[in-house]
Amino acid sequence: AQRVTQPEKLLSVFKGAPVELKCNYSYSGSPELFWYVQYSRQRLQLLLRHISRESIKGFTADLNKGETSFHLKKPFAQEEDSAMYYCALIRAGSQGNLIFGKGTKLSVKP
Amino acid sequence: NAGVTQTPKFQVLKTGQSMTLQCAQDMNHNSMYWYRQDPGMGLRLIYYSASEGTTDKGEVPNGYNVSRLNKREFSLRLESAAPSQTSVYFCASSLYRTAENTDTQYFGPGTRLTVL
Repeated sequence: AQRVTQPEKLLSVFKGAPVELKCNYSYSGSPELFWYVQYSRQRLQLLLRHISRESIKGFTADLNKGETSFHLKKPFAQEEDSAMYYCALIRAGSQGNLIFGKGTKLSVKP
Repeated sequence: NAGVTQTPKFQVLKTGQSMTLQCAQDMNHNSMYWYRQDPGMGLRLIYYSASEGTTDKGEVPNGYNVSRLNKREFSLRLESAAPSQTSVYFCASSLYRTAENTDTQYFGPGTRLTVL
């Protein structure tokens, strides 16, 4: 079964510290993976997608097929990074349907 | 360009009442989606519409119906609301092209629904 696992419900770090939000997936083909972010009182929005290999707001994510992981990383966390982060993959043959993980709440303390 | 809009923003219902959540997008997207967001559960797909005139069930369709009124609008109806349907509901849309099997979904601001 296709599944996305985010093992941490809450991650708390201090400003300037490195941050890594974990995402593991279960998928039998070549996955298309995303990270979505939801800031307080704002709508969910795309942070980055695997296929574009870009860095947004200092965040990067590398697909590791051997470990079936797509962890989100940032070398120096900022207070404005505090938000809910969701990892997601496109369900195969589903017309673009996303399977979301349960989310990790990142709290960056001053 | 408003993106994806949803109405209402908040709603309180009594058990057994019905209501329709409205969603519209102005990005000429083909696909539209309805999700519910519950604490500790992430987002779960209720229904989706790959194109105008088509709708399909998602992961948690029971208790809901949808209508793809035209390319812009996709509504979600609760015929007889239950407390278990208390949630935040998000509509999303995407251009989605089958051949590429990838696209960005754009989300609305959400509707917070409480069923007493």
